[in-house]
Parts: sequence; C-alpha cells; structure tokens
Amino acid sequence: ELKVEQNPLFLSMQEGKNYTIYCNYSTTSDRLYWYRQDPGKSLESLFVLLSNGAVKQEGRLMASLDTKARLSTLHITAAVHDLSATYFCAVASYSGAGSYQLTFGKGTKLSVIP
Amino acid sequence: DSGVTQTPKHLITATGQRVTLRCSPRSGDLSVYWYQQSLDQGLQFLIHYYNGEERAKGNILERFSAQQFPDLHSELNLSSLELGDSALYFCASSELTWTDTQYFGPGTRLTVL
Repeated sequence: ELKVEQNPLFLSMQEGKNYTIYCNYSTTSDRLYWYRQDPGKSLESLFVLLSNGAVKQEGRLMASLDTKARLSTLHITAAVHDLSATYFCAVASYSGAGSYQLTFGKGTKLSVIP
Repeated sequence: DSGVTQTPKHLITATGQRVTLRCSPRSGDLSVYWYQQSLDQGLQFLIHYYNGEERAKGNILERFSAQQFPDLHSELNLSSLELGDSALYFCASSELTWTDTQYFGPGTRLTVL
C-alpha cells in the first residue's frame, strides 16, 4: 500500500522567508501532484510532475520530483501572506490494467505571518 | 471560478438513505474525477471517468457508484448512507487524462444524521 508523508504538517513562517515542504512516498511512482486549498474552499491544482528530475515554477512556488529518492519538494521563496493555505501532495500508483490510484498526503497548513 | 459546477452545494440526509451528487465539467473537458474529504480520512480519490468510461478506481466503497453521461456530466451515487459518509465531495475535470491539470468544483457538503 502506497504511503505518502508530508512534513511539516504545520508551518508558520515570516513574510520574506524561504522554506520547503517535503513529500515522501513509499513505492515507485513517476507522477506527483501538488494542490492548494484555502480555508473553506475547494482545491486548486498547482503542479503536475511527470518524470524524474521534473521541476516546475509558478511565482514564489517551485516544485521538484526525485523519483529515485521518492521525494518531492515544494519550495517557497520570499513568502507573502497570500500564500497562507493548506498544501497537499498526491502520488499516483498503478493498479494494473492501465488503471491507477491517487494517494494524498495529510497536507501542510502554512501560515505566513507579517 | 474554475468552470466546474457541482450541485447541490449542501445536502443533509439520514442514515440509510441514498443521494446523488452531480458534476458538470468545464466545457470541452473529457475527464471527470471524484474526491472525498473528511476530517477522519483526509483527502481520498474515489474514481475517474474519461469520455464515459471508468478509467481508475480509488477508495470508493461498494455502496458508492458513479457514471459519466454522453453530455460528459457525472453523477456520484451514495447509498445506504452511514454517519461516516459525512464529508465534502469534490469533482474535478481535465481536458484529457490524469496527467493534465485538474480543475475543481466548489464541492458538495454531505451531512448524514
């Protein structure tokens, strides 16, 4: 059974600082997703990482995937208050016959303090 | 606004009942995905349909079923409801497959009393 661990689960950081959220997973996969969820809101897809070494950037967020280490990181540069949200990673695992399963981490609740 | 619509927004029902949640994908999107979010279980992937065909099944209970219709809207049917089925149910759509960006609807909050 695929396990996905995010850490930290809670992160309080000051505006202007940098930080990294980690997503470790337990079995081989080359497909990983990052999502953002604001309180009381729906999910927003941030990044889709489809191969080893994939790196994607959008604004102050950069995501990378190392399939050999079974690790993805979401790096936050010069945090601003608008980035306060819960961030989820999800890992795809194949379940045979062309099908797959998507397993989510527990989420990292990020609070950016002025 | 993602362009994905879900109805109803809220649903309150009793144990043992059956409900249907509806999702309309963004115009032109062929894939629809269903997710469940609860305090106990966190976020769970339920099922994926592509152009009317089931493509992947996640942690979907046998009491739950889904389908995607020729006009590409999808319905998630939940039957013999239990208290533990209370959750937020999201649908998402993407242009083609699960390697594409998914756009999420606002969710349906189901409360089972």
